[in-house]
Amino acid sequence: DIQMTQSPSSLSASVGDRVTITCRASQGISNSLAWFQQKPGKAPKSLIYAASTLQSGVPSKFSGSGSGTDFTLTISSLQPEDFATYYCQQYNTYPLTFGGGTKVEIK
Amino acid sequence: QVQLVESGGGVVQPGGSLRLSCAASGFTFSDYGMHWVRQAPGKGLRWVAFIRFDAYNEYYADSLKGRFTISRDNSKNTLYLQMNNLRGEDTAIYYCAKDRGHGGYVAYGMDVWGPGTTVTVSS
Repeated sequence: DIQMTQSPSSLSASVGDRVTITCRASQGISNSLAWFQQKPGKAPKSLIYAASTLQSGVPSKFSGSGSGTDFTLTISSLQPEDFATYYCQQYNTYPLTFGGGTKVEIK
Repeated sequence: QVQLVESGGGVVQPGGSLRLSCAASGFTFSDYGMHWVRQAPGKGLRWVAFIRFDAYNEYYADSLKGRFTISRDNSKNTLYLQMNNLRGEDTAIYYCAKDRGHGGYVAYGMDVWGPGTTVTVSS
């Protein structure tokens, strides 16, 4: 199975901060990488697919980059509604696998 | 709008069975692959299974093969997950999710998720 490793597992940031989360795949996955946001008690929400394509309706403060094994999710200016847990997921190879999550908390 | 609603969760004893359903609306169900994903209490997301739009192929997490079966009824716009020989570690919220690939022969990732249904395995 392809292992997805996210870092950090948690971070504290202030409103207005630029935040970057990284995701590393244990083997190359081309650009078959998605990012999801999950708030407590809610279902995950799709943010980005194909490593850098914004899901329809997602604000442009979210951006993704990378290819192969190393990927990043960036939030350009953190807002109160962005405090949540973020997951990466590869869909290049079965079984599909998720990263362990990055919890973004208020500083 | 695209909507997915899971049902069928509940409390079941170890060794028991449960069938989850996911009712889809707002899109042409028969054109899209579908996934099940689960989340144990306080834990991260784990992919469970994927079924192609035409049900021709199914894929599973290795640890669940043989106990879980994904299926679909395109005439009823409904996705199913049959879960047998349930264990405590199967306790989780189970989400169904639509794949974004139209008529895709492989998974292209999830774009819409249901609110989930809770399964608790306990004696």
